Amino acid sequence: ETGVTQSPTHLIKTRGQQVTLRCSSQSGHNTVSWYQQALGQGPQFIFQYYREEENGRGNFPPRFSGLQFPNYSSELNVNALELDDSALYLCASSPTGGWQETQYFGPGTRLLVL
Amino acid sequence: DQQVKQNSPSLSVQEGRISILNCDYTNSMFDYFLWYKKYPAEGPTFLISISSIKDKNEDGRFTVFLNKSAKHLSLHIVPSQPGDSAVYFCAADSGANSKLTFGKGITLSVRP
Repeated sequence: ETGVTQSPTHLIKTRGQQVTLRCSSQSGHNTVSWYQQALGQGPQFIFQYYREEENGRGNFPPRFSGLQFPNYSSELNVNALELDDSALYLCASSPTGGWQETQYFGPGTRLLVL
Repeated sequence: DQQVKQNSPSLSVQEGRISILNCDYTNSMFDYFLWYKKYPAEGPTFLISISSIKDKNEDGRFTVFLNKSAKHLSLHIVPSQPGDSAVYFCAADSGANSKLTFGKGITLSVRP
């Protein structure tokens, strides 16, 4: 059983550009959540997808969007990048997103916006 | 408004001794709490969790204690080992949609 994987590991973009980050959930996990971890902070919830539908969103603007695919892969898209978007982006998967269910994290993608 | 607080940014302990990592929360709706360990350049690794219906959960060297009336939880590591040196995050879940709220983390250093 493979764990959660993410690509790319590192990325450098310039302000105003768009970026797509990818995640492959653990096999059998129907829920994927995305988090942003700024330097010196804990991860902050961006949004969650369950069976290809958005299932909750944190305090992030609409230029943060996502997709989930039937093959347990998902994407985080960020448009009109800003300098403050520089952070580690983590995805986490869980079987159903149900009550008191543990989320398992990938290694993250470190995004630098110049 | 930080709903999960880890007020001590760092902790240093001697190998073999006990490490106690503390976490406080403000939201009464939180009913599931987790500890994650994070090494540099890696994602958070799940360590141990506790439901609000319990006050203690133990897994090997790791024990988590929950005091609901004080809205406080702690992670005890006994005995501490140098490989335990990492950043530890406390996280809480209200069960609404498995949105985890994290603290800022505490850096644990275990001295040989």
